[in-house]
Amino acid sequence: DTAVSQTPKYLVTQMGNDKSIKCEQNLGHDTMYWYKQDSKKFLKIMFSYNNKELIINETVPNRFSPKSPDKAHLNLHINSLELGDSAVYFCASSHRGKYSPLHFGNGTRLTVT
Amino acid sequence: KNQVEQSPQSLIILEGKNCTLQCNYTVSPFSNLRWYKQDTGRGPVSLTIMTFSENTKSNGRYTATLDADTKQSSLHITASQLSDSASYICVVSARGSQGNLIFGKGTKLSVKP
Repeated sequence: DTAVSQTPKYLVTQMGNDKSIKCEQNLGHDTMYWYKQDSKKFLKIMFSYNNKELIINETVPNRFSPKSPDKAHLNLHINSLELGDSAVYFCASSHRGKYSPLHFGNGTRLTVT
Repeated sequence: KNQVEQSPQSLIILEGKNCTLQCNYTVSPFSNLRWYKQDTGRGPVSLTIMTFSENTKSNGRYTATLDADTKQSSLHITASQLSDSASYICVVSARGSQGNLIFGKGTKLSVKP
């Protein structure tokens, strides 16, 4: 199936740990994103990558780092996890262009204890 | 400050009935407005994208309207089905890069049999 897939779906970990979330898209899109959906349900952009180039970074702590090995993958690494990092993280992709819809993955629910 | 406000926060309707969801925004400069449907535990799925010059756009039983002068949009759902139960998110794109998307909090719609 063509889609944006992210793993794992659930991630429970302790404070201070380092974790990664993987994302892959086979839609042929040239731009990928990471969004955070907090308890208030707002979706906020964290990063976007276009042809391996970071083009957006919205005041995200440097404990979060995106890694894009190729155009179809954008992984999210999180160091020294904090309680406030608990949220649902969504990967998305799109064609470049201001009218292109975003295609989202189904999210990774991160719980930091 | 760029903001997107949606109302109502939640809505319960009977199967087969119509409903209208509202979106007001203060995003400037405006580029386009999108409606997404987010099922529980899933990522948002694009329903419509409207540019400044478009007043209405339909996608099956979903019809979105846009009044760029009053900065208001609505999403009308006709002959609701149980599968329409979801959160509906209004997203406004500011002119500029793809990443300048401002998300509303969403309206949670429950369709009851």
